[in-house]
Amino acid sequence: DAMVIQNPRYQVTQFGKPVTLSCSQTLNHNVMYWYQQKSSQAPKLLFHYYDKDFNNEADTPDNFQSRRPNTSFCFLDIRSPGLGDAAMYLCATSRDSGVSAAYEQYFGPGTRLTVT
Amino acid sequence: AQKITQTQPGMFVQEKEAVTLDCTYDTSDQSYGLFWYKQPSSGEMIFLIYQGSYDEQNATEGRYSLNFQKARKSANLVISASQLGDSAMYFCAMREGNYGQNFVFGPGTRLSVLP
Repeated sequence: DAMVIQNPRYQVTQFGKPVTLSCSQTLNHNVMYWYQQKSSQAPKLLFHYYDKDFNNEADTPDNFQSRRPNTSFCFLDIRSPGLGDAAMYLCATSRDSGVSAAYEQYFGPGTRLTVT
Repeated sequence: AQKITQTQPGMFVQEKEAVTLDCTYDTSDQSYGLFWYKQPSSGEMIFLIYQGSYDEQNATEGRYSLNFQKARKSANLVISASQLGDSAMYFCAMREGNYGQNFVFGPGTRLSVLP
């Protein structure tokens, strides 16, 4: 089945120790997204890629970086995790909607990050 | 700026009854899409239903229907014949048209289905 895969599902890192979360997709979608979601809150968009074009949200801290080496893979790098960065990180993909805004997002299962 | 409002932080419904989850939105775009997602306690986001701004018919998908009132800018989700497995967070989201790629999410409604 075509899908969005996130590894690892659970990640524990130490305060200040860089960590990388990965996302891959078999849907061949050209748009990929990273969201941060804290308990009982809506997902907060960090950035998205449209093909290789990177789009950063204005309020995304510099501590968060992303790479998309090819269509299938996208990585989230947290350079110096703080306690406030503990959250669920969701990767999503979508087709380019063109004029119509018709296509939904497909989400991965998420990576739950713990910072000790 | 686009905005999604969900005024019900939590809702209870008896099993087998219908429930309506409210969503209002604000946009100046003429072309946009409205989406509902379900997020169970396991954390995955599950797409439920889509309504386009130019669609004249309300969308339906099995037990899910969307009550779309464009003039009032509302897109309420109706779940018929609630099941215990419907207990989850529900998010309303909007995607702008004209090659917009961003999705804006509402704060969510936690639905609890009672046996």
